[in-house]
Amino acid sequence: QVQLVQSGPEVKQPGASVKVSCKPSGDTFTDFGLSWVRQAPGQGLEWMGWISAYNGNTKYARRFQGGFTMTTDTSTSTAYMELRSLTSDDTAVYYCVSGYSYGAGAFDYWGQGTLVTVSS
Amino acid sequence: DIQMTQSPSSLSASVGDRVTITCRASQTISTYLNWYQQRPGKAPTLLIYGVSKLHSGVPSRFSGSGSGTDFTLSINNLQPEDFATYYCQQIYNTPWTFGQGTKVEIK
Repeated sequence: QVQLVQSGPEVKQPGASVKVSCKPSGDTFTDFGLSWVRQAPGQGLEWMGWISAYNGNTKYARRFQGGFTMTTDTSTSTAYMELRSLTSDDTAVYYCVSGYSYGAGAFDYWGQGTLVTVSS
Repeated sequence: DIQMTQSPSSLSASVGDRVTITCRASQTISTYLNWYQQRPGKAPTLLIYGVSKLHSGVPSRFSGSGSGTDFTLSINNLQPEDFATYYCQQIYNTPWTFGQGTKVEIK
């Protein structure tokens, strides 16, 4: 059974960076393609980007290019997302998700979410 | 970017009702359309992929239809656990985009 386990909540000051981890289990790490989706309080879902754990290929949503980076570490079977120059608008729950069974974009597995709060 | 517009934004219904949610894409997306359910305080879960294919374990009272730009999610015989927010998502082009959500509330 596939599971995605994310790191815990973070509180950051404006201008800081945050790095969230996601550790998939239930299959070979390099078989995963992972996306990051965020949800601001009371708001809808926003796709940020996708990374292949096989070769590190990435696709970024244009609005996140520059201040957002996705990486994988095959030695620890962990994926990461880093968001820089945080503002209050980045306060959100960040989900690591996988399109495992039906293709990259059909997110059938979700992490538990990581709340990132940006506040001075 | 492809814009996804859901209607209504919210609706009230009773247990046993049939409800229909509409999702419209700003350009054709063929059949690259998925639906998700999100209960309060929980992560979303996949309901339907490819317009009409039910994800494993999803009850058959859920169904989806449509193609091109107009799509619907229908729920027959609404159950208490179905009161949630529903999102459509297009995966025709990146950035993969979601509708704004439809909240199904108890009447």
